[in-house]
Amino acid sequence: GAGVSQTPSNKVTEKGKYVELRCDPISGHTALYWYRQSLGQGPEFLIYFQGTGAADDSGLPNDRFFAVRPEGSVSTLKIQRTERGDSAVYLCASRLTGTAYSPLHFGNGTRLTVT
Amino acid sequence: DAKTTQPNSMESNEEEPVHLPCNHSTISGTDYIHWYRQLPSQGPEYVIHGLTSNVNNRMASLAIAEDRKSSTLILHRATLRDAAVYYCTRVGRAGGTSYGKLTFGQGTILTVHP
Repeated sequence: GAGVSQTPSNKVTEKGKYVELRCDPISGHTALYWYRQSLGQGPEFLIYFQGTGAADDSGLPNDRFFAVRPEGSVSTLKIQRTERGDSAVYLCASRLTGTAYSPLHFGNGTRLTVT
Repeated sequence: DAKTTQPNSMESNEEEPVHLPCNHSTISGTDYIHWYRQLPSQGPEYVIHGLTSNVNNRMASLAIAEDRKSSTLILHRATLRDAAVYYCTRVGRAGGTSYGKLTFGQGTILTVHP
């Protein structure tokens, strides 16, 4: 079946601009996660959705970052007034809820470059 | 956040077994141990998980120490396609808003030589 899909795969933007990154999770997965990965580092947690609500947004670095999941399926990560330090690969993952041992399924990420 | 400790890199020859260690000395009794791997330009891929007992699946085996403070991912016969970054993570089983959240370290870069 289809895996987690992220679009665009690459995004280049200028400093100060607004960007939106989209994630289509696996159908039926109610839990959705956003991670950010810098070069040579492991993925860093940003936010977790259970259904439509953000159950844990403790990883968002500041108020320029915001994410939504209005219908409990597709999610959008929004970054305002982008900075060069925001350049990274943004990963989305989904999982079946109800069991802590069910694996996360990751997309291939969106590579964001802020010039 | 609870961290795991892994060697930065390891090397193996093709067709040989590989043992990737992980220390998680502060693990709680309800945390699962998950392993993921990441190939270049791809998102992490689930490999295996366990709680107390050793586990086997088609990709690998997971050996968990009796005190649960460490575990070892075992690739029985390494192939060139196994070259990746391997991450050992802990996942809380107890309920709560961070249920199922993974915390990644830097992982182990596995190089497989032909």
